[in-house]
Amino acid sequence: IAGITQAPTSQILAAGRRMTLRCTQDMRHNAMYWYRQDLGLGLRLIHYSNTAGTTGKGEVPDGYSVSRANTDDFPLTLASAVPSQTSVYFCASSKAGGEDTQYFGPGTRLTVL
Amino acid sequence: GQNIDQPTEMTATEGAIVQINCTYQTSGFNGLFWYQQHAGEAPTFLSYNVLDGLEEKGRFSSFLSRSKGYSYLLLKELQMKDSASYLCASLDSNYQLIWGAGTKLIIKP
Repeated sequence: IAGITQAPTSQILAAGRRMTLRCTQDMRHNAMYWYRQDLGLGLRLIHYSNTAGTTGKGEVPDGYSVSRANTDDFPLTLASAVPSQTSVYFCASSKAGGEDTQYFGPGTRLTVL
Repeated sequence: GQNIDQPTEMTATEGAIVQINCTYQTSGFNGLFWYQQHAGEAPTFLSYNVLDGLEEKGRFSSFLSRSKGYSYLLLKELQMKDSASYLCASLDSNYQLIWGAGTKLIIKP
């Protein structure tokens, strides 16, 4: 693994289903982030984690949950997917948060029908 | 509220120079980032400015005026591979990035 990986690459999901998007980094970065990107809008922060064991809410956290059991992994869970959660989801990481550069994974394209 | 404004789309000619502007209004300010994003790919870091002035990095330069809430990205000697979206993002008082919608740059031969 080099950098950040995300899985799956894309997914079509029925409304009401539970879904976990996976994110793993091998850079030993402390901070990790989940964003969604929608056409015509800027990236919006869903949840973040400044270090293993801690998480925080971003701009659009409703309907999503995260956990940070270790440094490398930061999964994003949609407990009961709705069509408005159709989006491209990017995971990112930075060395220590703050002004440190964020590095992005390749993204997951999620469609909720 | 927090707001980042940048043009939706720009067109330029291969070999030319283009300037992409960004204005920001955020609660607190801890710096301004520019990212490049090719279609279907992840954003990649280009520059970070926290002090006023111009920072040059090869063909790309980024400028910041904190008093005006304004930044621009200058791309010189444009190449076809520079066709991409350019994202402006301001780091607010909580050290969270507030992103603009991006400027799609189309390069014509």
